[in-house]
Amino acid sequence: QVQLVESGGGVVQPGGSLRLSCAASGFTFSSYGMHWVRQAPGKGLEWVAFIRYDGSNKYYADSVKGRFTISRDNSKNTLYLQMNSLRAEDTAVYYCAKVHLAVAGTTAFDIWGQGTMVTVSS
Amino acid sequence: EIVMTQSPATLSVSPGERATLSCRASQSVSSNLAWYQQKPGQAPRLLIYGASTRATGIPARFSGSGSGTEFTLTISSLQSEDFAVYYCQQYNNWPPWTFGQGTKLEIK
Repeated sequence: QVQLVESGGGVVQPGGSLRLSCAASGFTFSSYGMHWVRQAPGKGLEWVAFIRYDGSNKYYADSVKGRFTISRDNSKNTLYLQMNSLRAEDTAVYYCAKVHLAVAGTTAFDIWGQGTMVTVSS
Repeated sequence: EIVMTQSPATLSVSPGERATLSCRASQSVSSNLAWYQQKPGQAPRLLIYGASTRATGIPARFSGSGSGTEFTLTISSLQSEDFAVYYCQQYNNWPPWTFGQGTKLEIK
């Protein structure tokens, strides 16, 4: 079945780095754009980054621009989020999500992973 | 950036009754509006896209309506498994893709 599985979360000190991975299965990964969305403890959903199906375009929330990098390896069916210069306010559960329709960004997010927790603390 | 505002923040409804959740966009998003359900400790689940189309496997008691700036999610007869937090999201003007702050649907 269609599935997304995140990994790579953990505890990191402020200013540190972490790389999240999202392994996809059950669909043609290389045909769909992918998002990262995060949720701080007890808070709502915040979109973080988007990458087109072929990696040709990437978009970022202002809150992470210049610090986070989204990428993908279609040969490995895997999405990544490289997070540098981490701050306490980056503490959240990070979800990867698949676009519903293979039409760039004007589409809902139909499949979500279970999330991976990132805690930024000294 | 389009701001999505949901109301109420918390809605208390008895099982079997109807629940109506609202979402307002700060500018028109056409029908590019989705609703998600999130239960504690779980990932969000897509319920409605295109403002009114149910996603695969979503029961018919869930319905969405609206266009432009005003949207509604209606759950016709609440089941115990429907008590959760609901988010609306616009995907018309991006980036960023923006979510409402959520409505918590609780048992009365």
